[in-house]
Amino acid sequence: EPEVTQTPSHQVTQMGQEVILRCVPISNHLYFYWYRQILGQKVEFLVSFYNNEISEKSEIFDDQFSVERPDGSNFTLKIRSTKLEDSAMYFCASSEGSGRVDSPLHFGNGTRLTVT
Amino acid sequence: DAKTTQPNSMESNEEEPVHLPCNHSTISGTDYIHWYRQLPSQGPEYVIHGLTSNVNNRMASLAIAEDRKSSTLILHRATLRDAAVYYCILPTYNNNDMRFGAGTRLTVKP
Repeated sequence: EPEVTQTPSHQVTQMGQEVILRCVPISNHLYFYWYRQILGQKVEFLVSFYNNEISEKSEIFDDQFSVERPDGSNFTLKIRSTKLEDSAMYFCASSEGSGRVDSPLHFGNGTRLTVT
Repeated sequence: DAKTTQPNSMESNEEEPVHLPCNHSTISGTDYIHWYRQLPSQGPEYVIHGLTSNVNNRMASLAIAEDRKSSTLILHRATLRDAAVYYCILPTYNNNDMRFGAGTRLTVKP
């Protein structure tokens, strides 16, 4: 069964550094998402992306964050200047849907980001 | 977005059925009901979704009340591997964004 893959599985970075998290969504999917989960807390929506632009973003997704689909297969999340509070598990997801609310999301297993 | 309410936790015995409830009294006519689960140290995993009729798949069944103000996820025979946090979600209208609440933590006892 096709799956969403994320790399790296664990990233350690120093405060103030830029970090790029990478995801390969399922190939025929059209919608892409990033979520994060701080240890012990709930899964939080960050951003959704369709047709090469952001569809929706949460209040967490401020100017320090950006997303990109640089080629036909990758979907990336960039954090420009990491803060300690950015330490979390980051999940990528994709769906094949047309934007209507009946298309399941498929999640990767996440990248654990540790900011020191 | 329509809000959902789930119990914080539930327990089940292995190989017994489990009924996980969800209340969504402000649901609108076009809101789908989705269920996801998150196993320990993994990303969320799609379980099932439906609109009005009851739904079955290889993982679970979804029973939707006639007035659609509540639904129940049914695991027919719980296994230890089903221990997870289960989320009932009504996606946002335009973008299919899943907004996760606290969910129900299911513990399965051998």
